[in-house]
Amino acid sequence: GAGVSQSPSNKVTEKGKDVELRCDPISGHTALYWYRQSLGQGLEFLIYFQGNSAPDKSGLPSDRFSAERTGGSVSTLTIQRTQQEDSAVYLCASSFGTYGNTIYFGEGSWLTVV
Amino acid sequence: EDQVTQSPEALRLQEGESSSLNCSYTVSGLRGLFWYRQDPGKGPEFLFTLYSAGEEKEKERLKATLTKKESFLHITAPKPEDSATYLCAVQAGVDTGRRALTFGSGTRLQVQP
Repeated sequence: GAGVSQSPSNKVTEKGKDVELRCDPISGHTALYWYRQSLGQGLEFLIYFQGNSAPDKSGLPSDRFSAERTGGSVSTLTIQRTQQEDSAVYLCASSFGTYGNTIYFGEGSWLTVV
Repeated sequence: EDQVTQSPEALRLQEGESSSLNCSYTVSGLRGLFWYRQDPGKGPEFLFTLYSAGEEKEKERLKATLTKKESFLHITAPKPEDSATYLCAVQAGVDTGRRALTFGSGTRLQVQP
């Protein structure tokens, strides 16, 4: 597609439920990133995928968070047993290659845990 | 640990009143410094990448500059449509193995007509 596509754009879930957020990167982009942005805050790195290399999971805040990337393209971020503090915008980004390449962001998935 | 500090947190300008936003950083072997614009409810929109001290890039009313410790985003004769949050981010050097960008908290710019 023309840009990074994320779904759903908005999600309201009850505390304790699991949620899945999807990201379709720009075609041909080998690197994919997930970030989290809480209200009025900066972007917090969560996880990074590059080709077939092991992902960099150093930003995941707890073991309730996981992500996978299938076929080097689509990625799914899963949050288990959601908590109210998980409410945020989850942003996906992709780039062609790694160092120094322009990183393009999607519009985000707005998650509200009630 | 990589750190990015942006100032001011918020800035209100009159249309046509030029100003600068600051981004101070510490990073192991800077690979690139990135500027993004973010409108409310939207994802960050790429503006510039700067790679080495002394480099400058321009786009319409925006000009980004880079030194070894900070970057400035100069806004010349701003218009109301320039109102947004401007984000600065750094990427560490190859030797660190870190590829993710580290972001500052942003500067919220409001340009009044």
